[in-house]
Amino acid sequence: QKEVEQDPGPLSVPEGAIVSLNCTYSNSAFQYFMWYRQYSRKGPELLMYTYSSGNKEDGRFTAQVDKSSKYISLFIRDSQPSDSATYLCAIGTNAGKSTFGDGTTLTVKP
Amino acid sequence: KAGVTQTPRYLIKTRGQQVTLSCSPISGHRSVSWYQQTPGQGLQFLFEYFSETQRNKGNFPGRFSGRQFSNSRSEMNVSTLELGDSALYLCASRAQENIQYFGAGTRLSVL
Repeated sequence: QKEVEQDPGPLSVPEGAIVSLNCTYSNSAFQYFMWYRQYSRKGPELLMYTYSSGNKEDGRFTAQVDKSSKYISLFIRDSQPSDSATYLCAIGTNAGKSTFGDGTTLTVKP
Repeated sequence: KAGVTQTPRYLIKTRGQQVTLSCSPISGHRSVSWYQQTPGQGLQFLFEYFSETQRNKGNFPGRFSGRQFSNSRSEMNVSTLELGDSALYLCASRAQENIQYFGAGTRLSVL
């Protein structure tokens, strides 16, 4: 079993929709929770990170962490065609190890 | 502050050759990690260097090696290239917190 499981997708939504991207993890030692966005043929770009359970909001993006359920989500409100990309969740420990999900490819249609 | 810089951006090699990729981390970041990304396997961790020492290593053959210099710049070397080594190679740097920042990657094609 993988340490981090990400909803595989692909996901296709109309412009303006609310998007939910989800990951589960198995190791309680994980303390850092990150979301990256990767456009085609580019490196992953850090979108958001958090250390604690609860919600963290940044513009149209909200990262949600539930440590008791070992579940993290990224919500995108009012999705735009420019949000079309692959989204990677990443979870890390204090020891410096990060484990990445396999990514969910999102297409937002105008 | 400049981001993570990887060179070259693109490489074409033939089987059996060797290749060296370079990564300059964000200024002040002492940790550099390397990843291989392929469509079928996702992001696979290669190794991490911190203060010129390899601290973590993924499950890759010995043909994959790396090093880090005193200025935190890092190089990755792949010897005896195989077709399956074709991938996007990503470098990421971080400060003390476990938040990694990636470069644009080097796309390696092995013919």
